[in-house]
Amino acid sequence: SQQGEEDPQALSIQEGENATMNCSYKTSINNLQWYRQNSGRGLVHLILIRSNEREKHSGRLRVTLDTSKKSSSLLITASRAADTASYFCATPRGAQKLVFGQGTRLTINP
Amino acid sequence: NAGVMQNPRHLVRRRGQEARLRCSPMKGHSHVYWYRQLPEEGLKFMVYLQKENIIDESGMPKERFSAEFPKEGPSILRIQQVVRGDSAAYFCASSGVAGGGSYEQYFGPGTRLTVT
Repeated sequence: SQQGEEDPQALSIQEGENATMNCSYKTSINNLQWYRQNSGRGLVHLILIRSNEREKHSGRLRVTLDTSKKSSSLLITASRAADTASYFCATPRGAQKLVFGQGTRLTINP
Repeated sequence: NAGVMQNPRHLVRRRGQEARLRCSPMKGHSHVYWYRQLPEEGLKFMVYLQKENIIDESGMPKERFSAEFPKEGPSILRIQQVVRGDSAAYFCASSGVAGGGSYEQYFGPGTRLTVT
């Protein structure tokens, strides 16, 4: 089974609505990170939340972490067309390598 | 301050040829990571290197793949005798801090390898 599994796999919403993506993981972590990938491009780091944090904000992004449930959520408020991308959660394991989930493909419709 | 640079951005190789992918980390970073992404999938860790040392190669296929990060110059991911299954996007990331995993990795734009 895979560390860092996101759901839903795909999400399509109207511009201006909020988008929520979830991530579950299996092993203990000291932080969890969210990345965005635009089609055909590299990854952009969005936010890192440490295991002793419950919630973190960055602009229109809100990330929560529930270590008892081994889950995290990424909320994008007031979505824009430019938010259309794939979103991945990732957890560090071993010698600092990151383990990524399969991602959520988010489409914002104008 | 330039970010992580990768070249080439696109690489086409025939089956049996060699592919060389290069990665220059961000200035001041001495930790380099290579990841592979198949279509519609997340990134899979391949190898973690520091200058002149391979720290973790647990994600590297046992044959045909090798990586180095010399004292001078970029990190190189080499794939010998490529096969169609090697077609993927290969991403390099770098970081400046070691230890604990509480750090951010900065990703390059990737090299898209197509094997014909």
